[in-house]
Amino acid sequence: AQRVTQPEKLLSVFKGAPVELKCNYSYSGSPELFWYVQYSRQRLQLLLRHISRESIKGFTADLNKGETSFHLKKPFAQEEDSAMYYCALSVYNQGGKLIFGQGTELSVKP
Amino acid sequence: DTAVSQTPKYLVTQMGNDKSIKCEQNLGHDTMYWYKQDSKKFLKIMFSYNNKELIINETVPNRFSPKSPDKAHLNLHINSLELGDSAVYFCASSQGPASGANVLTFGAGSRLTVL
Repeated sequence: AQRVTQPEKLLSVFKGAPVELKCNYSYSGSPELFWYVQYSRQRLQLLLRHISRESIKGFTADLNKGETSFHLKKPFAQEEDSAMYYCALSVYNQGGKLIFGQGTELSVKP
Repeated sequence: DTAVSQTPKYLVTQMGNDKSIKCEQNLGHDTMYWYKQDSKKFLKIMFSYNNKELIINETVPNRFSPKSPDKAHLNLHINSLELGDSAVYFCASSQGPASGANVLTFGAGSRLTVL
């Protein structure tokens, strides 16, 4: 069965500290993974996707097929990074639906 | 010039009532979705339409009926509302899985409260 797991419901760090939001997936096919972010009072939006191999707002995420992980990292957290982060898996053989993890709330303290 | 717009943004109603949430996208996307976000912020897909055709129908009670009059609109009608239907409902659209990376654009959400 396809599944996305984000083990941390809440992650609290101080400004300038490194941050890593964990994501593990279960999928028999070739995974297509994303990170979406929801800032307070804003709509859910794409942060980055693994096929782009890009860095957005200082965040990066590397797909590790051996560990079935797609952890989101940033070396120096900023207060404006405080938000809800969702890891998502695209399932192409089921109409392209996105399966989301439970979400991790990141709180960056001054 | 909102890409995916939902109305209403807030909806408070009594148990047993019937209500609808409307969604429109101006991105020219072929595929639209409804997601439900519960009180624990968990996001779960409910339905997906591709060019007005239903392609995803998760295990949702049949009190929920989506309708897509054209590919730019996907409405959600809910009959006999129950307390457990209280949630934020998100509409989203994408170019569709056949296009490659299936990136979703979300609406702002519709918060439904059933009393």
